[in-house]
Amino acid sequence: KQEVTQIPAALSVPEGENLVLNCSFTDSAIYNLQWFRQDPGKGLTSLLLIQSSQREQTSGRLNASLDKSSGRSTLYIAASQPGDSATYLCAVYEGSYIPTFGRGTSLIVHP
Amino acid sequence: NAGVTQTPKFQVLKTGQSMTLQCAQDMNHNSMYWYRQDPGMGLRLIYYSASEGTTDKGEVPNGYNVSRLNKREFSLRLESAAPSQTSVYFCASSNEKLFFGSGTQLSVL
Repeated sequence: KQEVTQIPAALSVPEGENLVLNCSFTDSAIYNLQWFRQDPGKGLTSLLLIQSSQREQTSGRLNASLDKSSGRSTLYIAASQPGDSATYLCAVYEGSYIPTFGRGTSLIVHP
Repeated sequence: NAGVTQTPKFQVLKTGQSMTLQCAQDMNHNSMYWYRQDPGMGLRLIYYSASEGTTDKGEVPNGYNVSRLNKREFSLRLESAAPSQTSVYFCASSNEKLFFGSGTQLSVL
């Protein structure tokens, strides 16, 4: 059974720092990996989707990489801002229709 | 584009009452999902529908039923609500990329 782990569970940093959030998975035979953001009391917003044939995706200050062989993905946030404060979740997709989610990293960026 | 629309946003029930959570997507997605999210438990899949006309149990299906009414709509029904079903419920749809609704906060007293 696929297991997805996100480390750290919580992170508090000053504004302006570059951040790396980690997502690891136990079964490397995945199709895609997707990163989400969740603000308190809100739904999940898709940030980036990396297909299995890709190694990374970029959107603005966000860059997500995927290394299937080592079972890892990282989400890099450049020049963090207080507005980046949220919980970040990753989800991996295997051969079924069911994505497996990590528990998330709760990020606080303070001014 | 509305994306994934869930109703209601908030609901309070008494133990034993029934209700249906509605979900509709306008992205022509084949797959639809119902999740619940509880503090410390993460997202847990209740039911999913890989395509119109099919539904399957997820991780925590007990106490719930679903209907894939058509390609757009996927409803979740609580026949006899229990306090353990107090949670935030999310509907999602996917055609490779997953999109979520804004959630329903349900309290069962």
